[in-house]
Amino acid sequence: GAVVSQHPSWVICKSGTSVKIECRSLDFQATTMFWYRQFPKQSLMLMATSNEGSKATYEQGVEKDKFLINHASLTLSTLTVTSAHPEDSSFYICSARAGTGWSKLFFGSGTQLSVL
Amino acid sequence: DQQVKQNSPSLSVQEGRISILNCDYTNSMFDYFLWYKKYPAEGPTFLISISSIKDKNEDGRFTVFLNKSAKHLSLHIVPSQPGDSAVYFCAATGQTGANNLFFGTGTRLTVIP
Repeated sequence: GAVVSQHPSWVICKSGTSVKIECRSLDFQATTMFWYRQFPKQSLMLMATSNEGSKATYEQGVEKDKFLINHASLTLSTLTVTSAHPEDSSFYICSARAGTGWSKLFFGSGTQLSVL
Repeated sequence: DQQVKQNSPSLSVQEGRISILNCDYTNSMFDYFLWYKKYPAEGPTFLISISSIKDKNEDGRFTVFLNKSAKHLSLHIVPSQPGDSAVYFCAATGQTGANNLFFGTGTRLTVIP
């Protein structure tokens, strides 16, 4: 299957700093990528849909000024958590479509963010 | 509000036996359902799916059953193998073109050799 690479796999940062997470499609081009968040004992929740060359679409309740998404190329989307706070500590995971249909959705391995 | 629920956080099964993983949903607008498998330190990978126009879909050792009236789906793995040990997520979506997949919290399956 297609490969989606996500880095870093884990990051610890101080409160008030910003953290950037990268999501790359290694062997296919993805016009659309998705960012999810998972809190402990909860399910993956879609945060935003990242569209190459245009603004991301954010789900209700997700602050677009706090979670900056950039999809500047067909193989790279980045999520920047700005001015991170302890409540932003979570598991963040990206996915990208390698074709039509949900079976063509491939996930990165995720990033565990801990904000001290 | 959790629209997709997996009420069993874990399941242990002997090798060679059947594994049955369950999933319930609340939104009657969901019309497509998927199962993902996740190994540690890896992202979820697509396993099998089913459309609401069907009640069963089979792929090798994996079969998904859908009971629309009960808003329930299940994944059967027969026979279970140690390599099937992983976390399984069910997911659902509704309306063609929708971008959002709603996930359950996952069930950790352990297949005992």
